[in-house]
Amino acid sequence: AQSVTQPDIHITVSEGASLELRCNYSYGATPYLFWYVQSPGQGLQLLLKYFSGDTLVQGIKGFEAEFKRSQSSFNLRKPSVHWSDAAEYFCVGAGGTSYGKLTFGQGTILTVHP
Amino acid sequence: DAGVIQSPRHEVTEMGQEVTLRCKPISGHDYLFWYRQTMMRGLELLIYFNNNVPIDDSGMPEDRFSAKMPNASFSTLKIQPSEPRDSAVYFCASSSNPHNDGYTFGSGTRLTVV
Repeated sequence: AQSVTQPDIHITVSEGASLELRCNYSYGATPYLFWYVQSPGQGLQLLLKYFSGDTLVQGIKGFEAEFKRSQSSFNLRKPSVHWSDAAEYFCVGAGGTSYGKLTFGQGTILTVHP
Repeated sequence: DAGVIQSPRHEVTEMGQEVTLRCKPISGHDYLFWYRQTMMRGLELLIYFNNNVPIDDSGMPEDRFSAKMPNASFSTLKIQPSEPRDSAVYFCASSSNPHNDGYTFGSGTRLTVV
């Protein structure tokens, strides 16, 4: 079945530290992949997307993600985390026969310590 | 662009009452999605439309839930009768090209059924 998996439910980092959130996908062909962020009490906002081309994609708020086919991964990174980055992050995938429907990972909650 | 507009932002209702949630998608977006988010179950896709036609309603929990899209600029999600277990945040999202662009989410409606 086509899916995305986020192995970490909760991650805590110190402000200024680097961040990497993991995402693994299971799609037969090259998937369409996204990262979304949800701040407390807010809707989901698109951070970045990948569907072809350069495997390192840049997004908003200083985030980037790297598509690695050999590892079936699409990890999200940020070199220096700010307190305002505390939120829940969702890895999202699409592909296959059900056009229009995106598959959301379970989410990773990020806590930032001062 | 005003984005995806949902109303009301908050709704508190008594068990057994009818509840109607409203969504205005971004102009030009011909896909519209209704999601429900709870702590226990995370994000769940309830139903989605393409060109005002329901494409997949397999996520609608039961007959108490119904969704309509009478035109390209308006959709409703109705719960009748409401139950306490329906308490959740309901999100509407829209897109013109889901796989390439992802979805744009509204700010959500927080429903509490007492």
